[in-house]
Amino acid sequence: DSGVTQTPKHLITATGQRVTLRCSPRSGDLSVYWYQQSLDQGLQFLIHYYNGEERAKGNILERFSAQQFPDLHSELNLSSLELGDSALYFCASSATSGSFYEQYFGPGTRLTVT
Amino acid sequence: GQSLEQPSEVTAVEGAIVQINCTYQTSGFYGLSWYQQHDGGAPTFLSYNGLDGLEETGRFSSFLSRSDSYGYLLLQELQMKDSASYFCAVSGQAGTALIFGKGTTLSVSS
Repeated sequence: DSGVTQTPKHLITATGQRVTLRCSPRSGDLSVYWYQQSLDQGLQFLIHYYNGEERAKGNILERFSAQQFPDLHSELNLSSLELGDSALYFCASSATSGSFYEQYFGPGTRLTVT
Repeated sequence: GQSLEQPSEVTAVEGAIVQINCTYQTSGFYGLSWYQQHDGGAPTFLSYNGLDGLEETGRFSSFLSRSDSYGYLLLQELQMKDSASYFCAVSGQAGTALIFGKGTTLSVSS
């Protein structure tokens, strides 16, 4: 158990819908990262937040957005969902932005868009 | 941008030694990380090389050569439970995020 929690574990929704994925980092960790993992694209970095502020953006679509709240939990919002958005979404945390190389991953949310 | 190359599959038998190579191209390089992911599970951190040379952690070792933009993960005394995917990763922009390779699937047989 990494100490990172993610909810929900599974999510099935229809195209065009909007969903919110939630992540709580390990106690004391200030950095939160979001990744998308699909069979054809591998593990893709989406976005990084540090202590409530956006630090880096990866291949995140405009339909996707995220935020980190004062209690450090984070949410990833996915809207206008398409079939291709079906994937495993991981959240990870690290103690500081300087310890980016050692990230602790949550169990993931499996999103299925039908 | 960043790119990483690692073999897609490696097979070995229990007790053997296997080396998984990773070559990378990136700007603003901060170091090379390795992660393990079992089927259906989350990636877990194995090791990090910020400097050239070998880092050893139990049965696993990792090596980095900055001049060659190359690193490897060495797994010794292989066990069935080592069957998993192994990812190398480098820092992305501003050294604050990780870019992962496509992963190497290791299959260990008895």
